[in-house]
Amino acid sequence: EIVMTQSPATLSVSPGERATLSCRASQSVRSNLAWYQQKPGQAPRLLITAASTRATGVPARFSGSGSGTEFTLTISSLQSEDFAVYYCQQYNNWPPLTFGGGTKVEIK
Amino acid sequence: EVQLVESGGGLVPPGRSLRLSCRGSGFTFGDYAMSWVRQAPGKGLEWVGFIRSKTYGGTTEYAASAKGRFTISRDDSKSIAYLQMDTLITEDTAVYYCTKDGGYCDRGNCYYYMDVWGKGTTVTVSS
Repeated sequence: EIVMTQSPATLSVSPGERATLSCRASQSVRSNLAWYQQKPGQAPRLLITAASTRATGVPARFSGSGSGTEFTLTISSLQSEDFAVYYCQQYNNWPPLTFGGGTKVEIK
Repeated sequence: EVQLVESGGGLVPPGRSLRLSCRGSGFTFGDYAMSWVRQAPGKGLEWVGFIRSKTYGGTTEYAASAKGRFTISRDDSKSIAYLQMDTLITEDTAVYYCTKDGGYCDRGNCYYYMDVWGKGTTVTVSS
């Protein structure tokens, strides 16, 4: 089973600042990596597939990068609606499909 | 608009069964693989299992925690996916999400992510 590790667990950022979230896979997942956003009391929402492709309707301030075992989600200028928990998920070696533990982006 | 609506959650004693349903609309349901993902209170996301579209055999895959106790099925004529959960334990307490899966196939292997999510249904296993 591929283990996904996200860091940091919590990221405190001021509105308008840049946020950088990391996700590491225990072995290569090539570019088969997705990112999701979950706001309190809501279902997750797909943000990024194939490590760097934004899903339909996702603002351009969200960008993904990386391949193999190291991945990054960057939010270029945080808006109030971006404060949420973010999960990465690998879909290269499965079953099982595995998620990281999440990074909570909170207001500084 | 693509929508998924889960139902069937509730409070159930340990050892009992529960069947969740997920009705899809706004897309050709039978063309897509579907997954179930759960989230225990205050915890992260855990993939539970998956069913391929009939085009790819309609077969299923499960997480180790679900294998042997949970069964995923689908009725494409009704645009519904099911999660039959048997021998429930307290650790199965969670919000259960149904997802429409996206992805691609390459050289005989297919790769899936969770494209659209339902709002979830809450399952509480407690005596």
